[in-house]
Amino acid sequence: AQKVTQAQTEISVVEKEDVTLDCVYETRDTTYYLFWYKQPPSGELVFLIRRNSFDEQNEISGRYSWNFQKSTSSFNFTITASQVVDSAVYFCALSEGGSTLGRLYFGRGTQLTVWP
Amino acid sequence: DAGVTQSPTHLIKTRGQQVTLRCSPKSGHDTVSWYQQALGQGPQFIFQYYEEEERQRGNFPDRFSGHQFPNYSSELNVNALLLGDSALYLCASSRTATYEQYFGPGTRLTVT
Repeated sequence: AQKVTQAQTEISVVEKEDVTLDCVYETRDTTYYLFWYKQPPSGELVFLIRRNSFDEQNEISGRYSWNFQKSTSSFNFTITASQVVDSAVYFCALSEGGSTLGRLYFGRGTQLTVWP
Repeated sequence: DAGVTQSPTHLIKTRGQQVTLRCSPKSGHDTVSWYQQALGQGPQFIFQYYEEEERQRGNFPDRFSGHQFPNYSSELNVNALLLGDSALYLCASSRTATYEQYFGPGTRLTVT
């Protein structure tokens, strides 16, 4: 079973629109970590955020915000006032505790295209 | 402060050949993980090295092997290449017991 599901394969928006990328995860561990990475066309994965399972506070960083809800096993990512430079593939990832600590399980990614 | 570096950037090999990819971790990092990313997919975990030993491994055949050196740099070796091994190979480094992995730019391997 897929541990991380990103149901949106592609999203297109026009500059200055807000956009939310969905992420649903599955784990039996009580301690786990969730991540978002950005992959521009160059290919390098850029770390955006890490949350642990005990911290459900939403976080805002500039135009980026994250909504973590354990009740629905979701960790959604919103970009406010999108810009062309936000165009990239975005990956949600999960790291569980125990013997697989440090191993990242990635979703299939969401291709975001922001048009001028 | 140099980030994670990988070499080579691109590589073209023929089926049946062997390949070695290299990774230097970010300064201060001692753990290296390797991922394979096929076109249009998310990265898949291959294995992780710490203290020169393979600490955990994903669902990849024994044709995939690795090594970590005393300076924490790492190599990924793939034997008997198949067409399906064509992918972007990503190296990630982290400090022990932390959970933020920083990725290199990757090596794009094409098997013909």
